[in-house]
Amino acid sequence: NAGVTQTPKFRVLKTGQSMTLLCAQDMNHEYMYWYRQDPGMGLRLIHYSVGEGTTAKGEVPDGYNVSRLKKQNFLLGLESAAPSQTSVYFCASSPGRNEQFFGPGTRLTVL
Amino acid sequence: QKEVEQDPGPLSVPEGAIVSLNCTYSNSAFQYFMWYRQYSRKGPELLMYTYSSGNKEDGRFTAQVDKSSKYISLFIRDSQPSDSATYLCAAYNTDKLIFGTGTRLQVFP
Repeated sequence: NAGVTQTPKFRVLKTGQSMTLLCAQDMNHEYMYWYRQDPGMGLRLIHYSVGEGTTAKGEVPDGYNVSRLKKQNFLLGLESAAPSQTSVYFCASSPGRNEQFFGPGTRLTVL
Repeated sequence: QKEVEQDPGPLSVPEGAIVSLNCTYSNSAFQYFMWYRQYSRKGPELLMYTYSSGNKEDGRFTAQVDKSSKYISLFIRDSQPSDSATYLCAAYNTDKLIFGTGTRLQVFP
């Protein structure tokens, strides 16, 4: 099993550009999450999904959109990137409601 | 006030020391608590989780929850340089985990 994978691993964007981050899991988990991690701020939840076709807002949802069209995939979109969105983005999946398994992360820089 | 508070450290100890990592939380409804370990430039990995109050032991690691004082602890016995990482505590609340900011631990030989 590959577990949780994230694509791409690194990306540099210019302000105003758009992009989509892909998260895939092969563990048949119902729950999936997108976090951002910044120095001194810890992990902050952006959006999450409790099942295929569902999404919900987390702590810091502004400027991001998500979609969960297939159970194994969770996409995070930035429509118009801003320097404040420079961060490391982690995806996680969970079989239930507590234990979460994390991907390796995507390092995004917005110039 | 953040719902889960954690001292960011860094904490530097010699190999073989007993390490104590701590968090406090504010919501008495929290029931599940977790510790994650994150190596530099990697994703967090689940180390241990506990339900409600009490202790849980796994090898050199012991997780402890004191609900009366809203205190979460992780003890590492016989610490090794390979334990050098950032340790994140978390509490589960309605489909979500609330994370502390993480404590950076360095174990030197």
